[in-house]
Amino acid sequence: EAQVTQNPRYLITVTGKKLTVTCSQNMNHEYMSWYRQDPGLGLRQIYYSMNVEVTDKGDVPEGYKVSRKEKRNFPLILESPSPNQTSLYFCASSPSMNTQYFGPGTRLTVL
Amino acid sequence: SQQGEEDPQALSIQEGENATMNCSYKTSINNLQWYRQNSGRGLVHLILIRSNEREKHSGRLRVTLDTSKKSSSLLITASRAADTASYFCALGKYGGSQGNLIFGKGTKLSVKP
Repeated sequence: EAQVTQNPRYLITVTGKKLTVTCSQNMNHEYMSWYRQDPGLGLRQIYYSMNVEVTDKGDVPEGYKVSRKEKRNFPLILESPSPNQTSLYFCASSPSMNTQYFGPGTRLTVL
Repeated sequence: SQQGEEDPQALSIQEGENATMNCSYKTSINNLQWYRQNSGRGLVHLILIRSNEREKHSGRLRVTLDTSKKSSSLLITASRAADTASYFCALGKYGGSQGNLIFGKGTKLSVKP
């Protein structure tokens, strides 16, 4: 089944403890992206990648890192999480930067 | 802001009625897309309309795009309770170094049985 998977789906952590949210797609898509969704603010793009080893900042990249070493994986790294990064995170992939296929989301709480 | 802005923010209708949501934007676009999100879940792509298209249909969905007014509308005909969700417009902008898809804040649709 064609899908985008994210892990973990739920995470509660403490300020400053490094964490990684994994994202994997099995559709051989070149384009992948991370978004965060906050009430009243909609979805905002954090980082995107047009291909392996090619990444670029979205609208809200501060406090996040990404890497794209393989086509199927696009992990999101929070080196030192803070409470303002508490949010619902979505990974998405696309064959052509048109239709995007979203993962199920990761709900992150930073205490 | 480069975001699309949906209007209304919330819409409540009875099953069988039509639902219309609007999206206005300020920037130039390559395409405009509509997505649906059931509560707290991933977004699902509904339809894409390119900047040189004026209208597109998909099942009970009809999307229009007026680039001169920088606006789009999504019409859901004969709505069902299962259409209850949030609907987002997303502006497709790329060329050069850009690769962004910029989402609006969404319209929350409630369809009462």
